[in-house]
Amino acid sequence: AQSVTQLDSQVPVFEEAPVELRCNYSSSVSVYLFWYVQYPNQGLQLLLKYLSGSTLVKGINGFEAEFNKSQTSFHLRKPSVHISDTAEYFCAVSGSGSARQLTFGSGTQLTVLP
Amino acid sequence: DVKVTQSSRYLVKRTGEKVFLECVQDMDHENMFWYRQDPGLGLRLIYFSYDVKMKEKGDIPEGYSVSREKKERFSLILESASTNQTSMYLCASSFGQRTYEQYFGPGTRLTVT
Repeated sequence: AQSVTQLDSQVPVFEEAPVELRCNYSSSVSVYLFWYVQYPNQGLQLLLKYLSGSTLVKGINGFEAEFNKSQTSFHLRKPSVHISDTAEYFCAVSGSGSARQLTFGSGTQLTVLP
Repeated sequence: DVKVTQSSRYLVKRTGEKVFLECVQDMDHENMFWYRQDPGLGLRLIYFSYDVKMKEKGDIPEGYSVSREKKERFSLILESASTNQTSMYLCASSFGQRTYEQYFGPGTRLTVT
């Protein structure tokens, strides 16, 4: 079984500042990793995914994440945030044993302040 | 673009009522999922289905049932709604036997009074 820990439930940051949202996972098998974003009153939208290959993954809206197998982490970063990035962000993992299912973290609310 | 639609954005029901939440996807996906989302708990899987007339329990199936009579439609049923089922319900679908991304509907915010 796998699990996901998002270490920060709330992250406030000023506009144009960099941000990192942290995600750690535990799994006994190879994993696939995802970041989703949820804007207010909407469903989840995929930001980026790691399936294999390069450990640095680029996604939409200028976000990127780095897969670190030794630290079992998949932190999300953006060098300069905008007000429109205010949303909740979810990290998710799946494993080869239950390849079609995702396990989600508890979410991080990113609030970008003017 | 993949489109996943849910029958209602907001729903208010009384305790003890039978509640149906409908989800339809238009991309011929095999896999469909129902989650509930609560603050601080993230998304928790209620039920999922990999094929028509097939269903499997997720992490929190108690108090819920599902139906999948057609490939594109996956229904969540609350047989007798209770106040602790007040939540956001999200439907998702995905393609194939390995996990690639799941596509989500806009959600139904259910309030049980």
